[in-house]
Formats: sequence, C-alpha cells, structure tokens
Amino acid sequence: RKEVEQDPGPFNVPEGATVAFNCTYSNSASQSFFWYRQDCRKEPKLLMSVYSSGNEDGRFTAQLNRASQYISLLIRDSKLSDSATYLCVVRYTGGGNKLTFGTGTQLKVEL
Amino acid sequence: EAEVAQSPRYKITEKSQAVAFWCDPISGHATLYWYRQILGQGPELLVQFQDESVVDDSQLPKDRFSAERLKGVDSTLKIQPAELGDSAMYLCASSRLAGVGADTQYFGPGTRLTVL
Repeated sequence: RKEVEQDPGPFNVPEGATVAFNCTYSNSASQSFFWYRQDCRKEPKLLMSVYSSGNEDGRFTAQLNRASQYISLLIRDSKLSDSATYLCVVRYTGGGNKLTFGTGTQLKVEL
Repeated sequence: EAEVAQSPRYKITEKSQAVAFWCDPISGHATLYWYRQILGQGPELLVQFQDESVVDDSQLPKDRFSAERLKGVDSTLKIQPAELGDSAMYLCASSRLAGVGADTQYFGPGTRLTVL
C-alpha cells in the first residue's frame, strides 16, 4: 500500500464546475499536509497547506480529517487555467523536512 | 523572486554512460533535496542535504548514484552507469530550514533525462 494514495483521474469537468479531490495517507505520525500543483512538464508548486480546521484560498478549499487520515481539495468555479495535476503531499514527524507525494490527480477543465 | 536553478534542462544519453545534474538552491537555503519523478508518479526523495551533510539518502541507489554538496551551496547528482529505468525528471528543491516548523520547499524546473 502506498503511503499517500490519490485517484489518478483524469477528471474532465466543464468550466464553472465544482470538483473535489481526495487523498488518504497511511502513516498516523504525519505532521503536515499540502496540496501542490504541477503543470505538464513543469515543476511542482505549492498550492496551499492543509490545516486541521480547514482552510480556504479564493476558490480553493482544503480539509483534513486526522481520524480518518483523509485530505481533500475542493475547487469551485473551475477555470481553464486550473487544468493541471494536483499532488497530495505529507510530511512526517521526525522525518526532517522530507515530503512524501501522492501520484497526483489530473484535472482537465473544458469549455 | 529568487528561484532554484538546475542544468541541463534536458539530457539524452545512452545506457552505461555517465550523466551529471547540477542544482543551485535559493540563496540562504540550508536544506537541499534531490527528487526523481517517473512519468505518471509523484516525486520521490533521493537525497537530502543540510548544508554540506547528507541527512537522508535511504532511497538513493548508491551502486550507481552519487550526490555531493561540497561547500553547502550548489549540488551535483551523478549517475554512472545510466540504465534505461533511470529515464525520469530529476527535481531539485530547497528550503530555509528543516525540522519542526520547516519552511516551504521550492522546486527548480528539473532535468528531464532520457536513457536510450
């Protein structure tokens, strides 16, 4: 079983739609959680950190459920420019700053 | 805005040849990471440096891969000999510090390696 699991997609949605991505992690000692965005053939870039209380950044909302070891990302009012791969990322307690990435979920927003 | 620099951006080599990748982290970033990303997968950590010291190289295939950061600034990752399965994107990242309260990792543009 992978340490961080995501549905690879692709998720094909029309512009303006709301889309949700889910992620589960296996190590209960996980400390910090993130969503990274990766455009085709580019480097990953931090989209947002995920906090236990949930957090929002514009059209993006991230949620964390430590009891279920589950992380989510909600994108409202999808734009064409949101098309990318979204990587769920976990950092473990005592692991320095090592990040463990999921395989990513591909999103395609269409006209 | 400061960026992580990597070179070359693309490298094509034949199997059994040696290849080397270079990374220059953001100025002042003590921690440097090398990741490998195979197509369709997420990045996987190969090696982590704190200044010039290796902190974690547990996933580095040491029979053929080596990494150094001699002066605690820029770093080189080498593969010798390259194998077909080494074809991937090699990403370098840096952060200001590690441990509790660790800062964000910033990634360079990567080196895309193709082994023929």
